[in-house]
Amino acid sequence: AQSVTQLGSHVSVSEGALVLLRCNYSSSVPPYLFWYVQYPNQGLQLLLKYTSAATLVKGINGFEAEFKKSETSFHLTKPSAHMSDAAEYFCAVSAGAGKSTFGDGTTLTVKP
Amino acid sequence: NAGVTQTPKFRVLKTGQSMTLLCAQDMNHEYMYWYRQDPGMGLRLIHYSVGEGTTAKGEVPDGYNVSRLKKQNFLLGLESAAPSQTSVYFCASSYSLLAGVDEQFFGPGTRLTVL
Repeated sequence: AQSVTQLGSHVSVSEGALVLLRCNYSSSVPPYLFWYVQYPNQGLQLLLKYTSAATLVKGINGFEAEFKKSETSFHLTKPSAHMSDAAEYFCAVSAGAGKSTFGDGTTLTVKP
Repeated sequence: NAGVTQTPKFRVLKTGQSMTLLCAQDMNHEYMYWYRQDPGMGLRLIHYSVGEGTTAKGEVPDGYNVSRLKKQNFLLGLESAAPSQTSVYFCASSYSLLAGVDEQFFGPGTRLTVL
């Protein structure tokens, strides 16, 4: 069994501030982990993925995430928020086709 | 490439009516999925397919049926719509060279309202 917990359904930051979105997972097998972003009225698109090659994963739009096995975490960060980063972000864990589990999502608001 | 497309984009049904949502992908992906998204509940898997002619149940399959007659298409059917099926429906596809790396590509969604 696997699960994903995203801590904080809403996160608000000022433009230029650090973005930190939290994700903890549980998995009975070595996990593959993903962050997706969803802009209003659009489908999800992949930000980055962890496939065990490197614990620090860089994605699109300046985002990165660090896999910490001891903490079962895969938090998403960006050093400086832009207005265009306002969206909903989903963490997901996968153990194969049809075996992906998504978190409930975190809505990021960026204040000018 | 168009990626993953969904038809229709919006639909309003009355309770008891039926409809079919169409998903098409042009990436030659083996795997396809149907999700529903409800506020505060993330994405929940309805049904999925690991290849042409195959389907499997996901987390919330009741009230839905699917078919994958062609590799590029995945249809989601509601035989008798209920208000509880009001939701945004997303189709996705994936092609995993490495088992477990289920990176999914999503369509733009279908917003369904059942009155």
